[in-house]
Amino acid sequence: KAGVTQTPRYLIKTRGQQVTLSCSPISGHRSVSWYQQTPGQGLQFLFEYFSETQRNKGNFPGRFSGRQFSNSRSEMNVSTLELGDSALYLCASSFSAGSSYEQYFGPGTRLTVT
Amino acid sequence: AQKVTQAQTEISVVEKEDVTLDCVYETRDTTYYLFWYKQPPSGELVFLIRRNSFDEQNEISGRYSWNFQKSTSSFNFTITASQVVDSAVYFCALSEKGGTSYGKLTFGQGTILTVHP
Repeated sequence: KAGVTQTPRYLIKTRGQQVTLSCSPISGHRSVSWYQQTPGQGLQFLFEYFSETQRNKGNFPGRFSGRQFSNSRSEMNVSTLELGDSALYLCASSFSAGSSYEQYFGPGTRLTVT
Repeated sequence: AQKVTQAQTEISVVEKEDVTLDCVYETRDTTYYLFWYKQPPSGELVFLIRRNSFDEQNEISGRYSWNFQKSTSSFNFTITASQVVDSAVYFCALSEKGGTSYGKLTFGQGTILTVHP
């Protein structure tokens, strides 16, 4: 079974630009969550999508947005990039049914804003 | 508000030593889930274990064991006979609610474990 894939793996952008990151969950997983990891703030929840609907949202400004497609693939977008947006962005896909539960993270996209 | 505290920022041990990583959590929910993840230098978070709030049984998986104590709101992780490959950052995490939404995790600050040969 293929794991969670994230593209691109590395990205360098300039302040003010926008960026789109992609996440393909494990086949059969309908939930996709996004996290931002920085040395100062640690791992912080951005949002969660389930069946194309945003189910949860973290405390991030509106510049951060996401969506999920019918095939469960998800994208997150950051507009008007700031230096502080430099981080590792991790995507997780999960599956839950009764007592069965799986959650796996992708390798992440490392975004550098200059 | 939910909170996870990993008091140990860094731990350094010599191979074959046992090491325990502490995790204390706060939540008002009666149903919740606790997790441990390992993050090697590659950056990917590797799932180690999930525990729900109704199951206080300790668990052992090879050299790994977990001690869940609801009375002290702790979910500690022990590595027995540590190996160099265990060197990584370890995160404890708490899910917001039980049920169908496990996607929102609150993470601790992480513990950097270094195992020296």
